[in-house]
Amino acid sequence: GENVEQHPSTLSVQEGDSAVIKCTYSDSASNYFPWYKQELGKRPQLIIDIRSNVGEKKDQRIAVTLNKTAKHFSLHITETQPEDSAVYFCAASTAGNQFYFGTGTSLTVIP
Amino acid sequence: GAVVSQHPSRVICKSGTSVKIECRSLDFQATTMFWYRQFPKKSLMLMATSNEGSKATYEQGVEKDKFLINHASLTLSTLTVTSAHPEDSSFYICSARDGTLSGNTIYFGEGSWLTVV
Repeated sequence: GENVEQHPSTLSVQEGDSAVIKCTYSDSASNYFPWYKQELGKRPQLIIDIRSNVGEKKDQRIAVTLNKTAKHFSLHITETQPEDSAVYFCAASTAGNQFYFGTGTSLTVIP
Repeated sequence: GAVVSQHPSRVICKSGTSVKIECRSLDFQATTMFWYRQFPKKSLMLMATSNEGSKATYEQGVEKDKFLINHASLTLSTLTVTSAHPEDSSFYICSARDGTLSGNTIYFGEGSWLTVV
């Protein structure tokens, strides 16, 4: 099946700085790449997604880039705020609609 | 947006007993539902994929006789942990895909904390 790797596992940034989280995937058939934010003990919340026919997508302070050739995609958060602190997961969806998640990145934004 | 409800949110059971967790799509028909297990500070591990009216597809390493999944209707899937042991204690989350929409957007339930004592 699909193998999704995510880096870094922990990330600390100063408030106002940018944060970048990177993921790679193995299955070239994957065509949908969502990013989720999860607070402890709560359900993951979709924050942005990108499909394989698009190279970049932006939504206010959040952007995602996709390089299909290299099989990697990244999450970019600009002007970080303390409320951005959470665990972020990338995922890759295969043609069978199964979702495989990365190992997660614990982001801490220091006020 | 679409709502997926999971119940119970927390459950404590004795070792050797079985416990059932329900996952309901409240305002859409979920042709496909997914069950995940999550350990503290770890990622979501896909356990199985269930399609309405057919047997679930389990991921490698997941015991299908221990984690029984039923998807009898387009709005309900259940996960039953049979003969539970302390090592089954975990956070279980379901997600559902809206079969009427194109694309792959899924919606997560609130999750269920299972503690086996």
